[in-house]
Amino acid sequence: DIQLAQSPSFLSASVGDRVTITCRASQGISTSLAWFQQKPGKAPKLLIYDASSLHSAVPSRFSGSGSGTDFTLIISSLQPEDFATYYCQHLNGYPSPFGQGTRLEIK
Amino acid sequence: EVQLVESGGALVQPGGSLRLSCAASGFTFSNFEMNWVRQAPGKGPEWVSYISSRGRTIYYADSVKGRFTISRDNAKNSLYLQMKSLRAADTAVYYCARVIPFDIVVDSGVINTGYFDSWGQGTLVTVSS
Repeated sequence: DIQLAQSPSFLSASVGDRVTITCRASQGISTSLAWFQQKPGKAPKLLIYDASSLHSAVPSRFSGSGSGTDFTLIISSLQPEDFATYYCQHLNGYPSPFGQGTRLEIK
Repeated sequence: EVQLVESGGALVQPGGSLRLSCAASGFTFSNFEMNWVRQAPGKGPEWVSYISSRGRTIYYADSVKGRFTISRDNAKNSLYLQMKSLRAADTAVYYCARVIPFDIVVDSGVINTGYFDSWGQGTLVTVSS
């Protein structure tokens, strides 16, 4: 089964910062990767699918890139509402793995 | 507006059973594949089970295989998860999630993939004596 490893696990940043989160797959997965944002007590919210396609109503400061085994989520200018936990997920058949998460906190 | 509303979560003793429901509205439920995803306290999401739009294809995570049964009633716009032989490790918030399928064209052919675009608010299952 494919496994996803996110880094870092924890990130401290300030409003206005540019932030990069990475997700590495244990084998090549083309662009079959999604990114989610989750706030405490809420369901995950889809941000990016197909590695780089922005889901509807997601602000353009979020972007994704990558193909094969290495992927990145970039937040170009952090806003207060962006402090949350971020997960990557692969979906090409099942099981469908998630990364272990990156917790983004205010510095 | 797409809405998914889970229900049925409760405190149950180890070895017990529980049935979760997910009521769908705002879209043609019978056209969409669905999943259950769970999240243990302080942990990341874990995929649990998948069911195709007509219920003919089903998959389970190894951790629940043989104990959980996914089903759907398209006439009632509802998804279900029957859970038995529950363990402490099954304690989690359980979400239903809709799949949007799409294909990626690569040199070697087509990759059938998709993404979970809509999630319910979750229902908490606690397994404890």
